[in-house]
Amino acid sequence: AQKITQTQPGMFVQEKEAVTLDCTYDTSDPSYGLFWYKQPSSGEMIFLIYQGSYDQQNATEGRYSLNFQKARKSANLVISASQLGDSAMYFCAMRETVGNNRLAFGKGNQVVVIP
Amino acid sequence: DAGVTQSPTHLIKTRGQHVTLRCSPISGHKSVSWYQQVLGQGPQFIFQYYEKEERGRGNFPDRFSARQFPNYSSELNVNALLLGDSALYLCASSFRGFYTEAFFGQGTRLTVV
Repeated sequence: AQKITQTQPGMFVQEKEAVTLDCTYDTSDPSYGLFWYKQPSSGEMIFLIYQGSYDQQNATEGRYSLNFQKARKSANLVISASQLGDSAMYFCAMRETVGNNRLAFGKGNQVVVIP
Repeated sequence: DAGVTQSPTHLIKTRGQHVTLRCSPISGHKSVSWYQQVLGQGPQFIFQYYEKEERGRGNFPDRFSARQFPNYSSELNVNALLLGDSALYLCASSFRGFYTEAFFGQGTRLTVV
């Protein structure tokens, strides 16, 4: 069964606008972590933000924030004030303790920022 | 500080050959994980090592093996290469086995012909 679902088609975003990338997850593990990564065309996977299942506050890192809705099993990434360099694939991933702490990734969201 | 380094960055091999990919984690990090990313998909977990012991194995055939050295660097070995092994192989480094951050290297792009 798919643990991470990212179903949005490729997105075009105007520079300086905000964009929200959807991610839903499936787990019965009470202790888990959610990650977002950015993968530009060069291939490297760049860590953006982390949210723990017990964290009370939504995680924020600079222009990145995670809209964590635990009851809905949703962990959407919000990028504020988009920049041209934000054009990339974005992956949502989950770590479960029952899964030997492996990261399970979604299929990714393609974002293109246009001037 | 150096990030996660992987070598080589690109590799072309022939079907049936063997390949060794290398990863050096961030200094102080004791956990290394390997992932395979085929074109158009998210990375798939292959192995995790923590303190030189295998802590997790993904759904990959026995042709895939790995090890972690005393300095926490790691090797991924793939025997009897198939065309389907063509992918980007990513190494992730974290401080411990249960982590809140995992940093990836730039990957090794393997092409099997």
